[in-house]
Amino acid sequence: AQTVTQSQPEMSVQEAETVTLSCTYDTSESDYYLFWYKQPPSRQMILVIRQEAYKQQNATENRFSVNFQKAAKSFSLKISDSQLGDAAMYFCAYRKASGSRLTFGEGTQLTVNP
Amino acid sequence: DGGITQSPKYLFRKEGQNVTLSCEQNLNHDAMYWYRQDPGQGLRLIYYSQIVNDFQKGDIAEGYSVSREKKESFPLTVTSAQKNPTAFYLCASSILGPGVHEQYFGPGTRLTVT
Repeated sequence: AQTVTQSQPEMSVQEAETVTLSCTYDTSESDYYLFWYKQPPSRQMILVIRQEAYKQQNATENRFSVNFQKAAKSFSLKISDSQLGDAAMYFCAYRKASGSRLTFGEGTQLTVNP
Repeated sequence: DGGITQSPKYLFRKEGQNVTLSCEQNLNHDAMYWYRQDPGQGLRLIYYSQIVNDFQKGDIAEGYSVSREKKESFPLTVTSAQKNPTAFYLCASSILGPGVHEQYFGPGTRLTVT
């Protein structure tokens, strides 16, 4: 069974600084997708960024980028120029390409300090 | 406006009563999902459905039941057999098939059983 591990229950960052959230996963599949979701205090889940395992290039979305290391089964999220609105719970998620269900990590609570 | 609606936002029930949580989507998605979220934990999959009149158990299906009579609707019943029903429940939907399709989430229902 696939598992997703987020080893940092809590992280904090100063406004305008950069922070990296860690995620590792375990799978025997070669083709899969990885996602980072954000859950702000409203509890609405919002997709931040996605990555296809067969693509070597790391995905970027504005201030958000990932460091995807397929051999190490690592998928970290980097937030640059952190803003107060980035404060949220961040979840890493995995889906095998042939399936539809997501497996989530336990989440990392990010605090942004002014 | 396309999206997923869940109602009600807050639900209170007495122990021993069954309760049904509503989830409707107008995104024309084939797949729908129910997750449970407990404090400090990630999302755990309860049930999912990829087609009308068919559904599969997720990781924590015991004490829950679902139906999928219409493509747009996927209600979740929390039965009296569920030992710890108090939690935040999230419904999601997605496109099926190849591609890095995201899951879209509803706003959630907070269920409190006393």
